[in-house]
Amino acid sequence: GAVVSQHPSRVICKSGTSVKIECRSLDFQATTMFWYRQFPKQSLMLMATSNEGSKATYEQGVEKDKFLINHASLTLSTLTVTSAHPEDSSFYICSARPALRGYTFGSGTRLTVV
Amino acid sequence: AQTVTQSQPEMSVQEAETVTLSCTYDTSENNYYLFWYKQPPSRQMILVIRQEAYKQQNATENRFSVNFQKAAKSFSLKISDSQLGDTAMYFCAFLPLQGGSEKLVFGKGTKLTVNP
Repeated sequence: GAVVSQHPSRVICKSGTSVKIECRSLDFQATTMFWYRQFPKQSLMLMATSNEGSKATYEQGVEKDKFLINHASLTLSTLTVTSAHPEDSSFYICSARPALRGYTFGSGTRLTVV
Repeated sequence: AQTVTQSQPEMSVQEAETVTLSCTYDTSENNYYLFWYKQPPSRQMILVIRQEAYKQQNATENRFSVNFQKAAKSFSLKISDSQLGDTAMYFCAFLPLQGGSEKLVFGKGTKLTVNP
């Protein structure tokens, strides 16, 4: 149980276009989800906290207009990278907390902007 | 602010041997959780083990165990009988329980290689 599904696993897009990444909790409801970015050989960096039915909370230094987060239901959060540039290329991971004691992570999305 | 420090960027161990990964953290809180996550080459984050700060007994999950020293703010992971499949990045993480924040604080990770 407690599975978080993330799609797509890989995406290549052209510079200037937008890309949407979905994160779904399959067998539990998640009022809060988390979006991370991970650069090669580095740790996970929290970008924002997604809140169902309200605005996301962004970490300092993360551009709200570039990384749009929508959490319209208790099982789905989306991250849209708008007007993508090559420097946005990275590995993006979502997570949710199905129980008090732990987190479950999606399998990640490798974004390449060309 | 809470911080998590993993002082070993890389480690290696021979198959079937035991290895210990270090983690220290800094917090003024008394109630929190600590985790070790494994990230293999697939990059899927996998929970290895968790520890509640109020529990004195060290957590154990099969070949994985922790040495939790609350006063010293230390949370090391011991992997016994290392297997090739244990090769991965290992992240130590801290979760405060006070203040309403659900944000995990990660260390920078330790790359573990198990050699045949």
